[in-house]
Amino acid sequence: GAGVSQSPSNKVTEKGKDVELRCDPISGHTALYWYRQSLGQGLEFLIYFQGNSAPDKSGLPSDRFSAERTGGSVSTLTIQRTQQEDSAVYLCASRYSGANVLTFGAGSRLTVL
Amino acid sequence: GQQVMQIPQYQHVQEGEDFTTYCNSSTTLSNIQWYKQRPGGHPVFLIQLVKSGEVKKQKRLTFQFGEAKKNSSLHITATQTTDVGTYFCAGSPNSGYALNFGKGTSLLVTP
Repeated sequence: GAGVSQSPSNKVTEKGKDVELRCDPISGHTALYWYRQSLGQGLEFLIYFQGNSAPDKSGLPSDRFSAERTGGSVSTLTIQRTQQEDSAVYLCASRYSGANVLTFGAGSRLTVL
Repeated sequence: GQQVMQIPQYQHVQEGEDFTTYCNSSTTLSNIQWYKQRPGGHPVFLIQLVKSGEVKKQKRLTFQFGEAKKNSSLHITATQTTDVGTYFCAGSPNSGYALNFGKGTSLLVTP
């Protein structure tokens, strides 16, 4: 696609439920990142996929968070047993292997009640 | 781990005044990037600096990369209301690593 597509754009869930957030990167972009941005805060790195290499999961805040990237394209970020502190905007970004520049999606706003 | 610090956290200026935000890394960076996030939007790439001491300009914006490749600055001359947003720096110790973002500087410009 022309840009990084994320869905859903907004998700409201109850505490304890699982949620899945989807990212469809720019076609041909081999690297894919997930970041979390809480209200008025900076970008917190979560996980990074590069081609077929093992992902860098060093930013995942707890074992309730996981992500996968199927076929080197679409990625899904899963949050199990959501907590109120998980409320944030989850941003996905991708980049071409020959460049460092990230292109961000519009984000998925998660609200945990 | 590597940390990227940005100051100030907030800046409120009158239209026409200058603005500067500073970025400091705890480790040497291979490159530094700057992004702008408008209110309600997502970060958008502005520029990348790679060389020690590099200076780049985009109209009223001037970007610098320190000689030691551990700090950077963004200076806006004669701010306009369209400059409103949060400016983030981001860097990594090597290309291909995850980018670490600073917490950003939120700029408010009043006419």
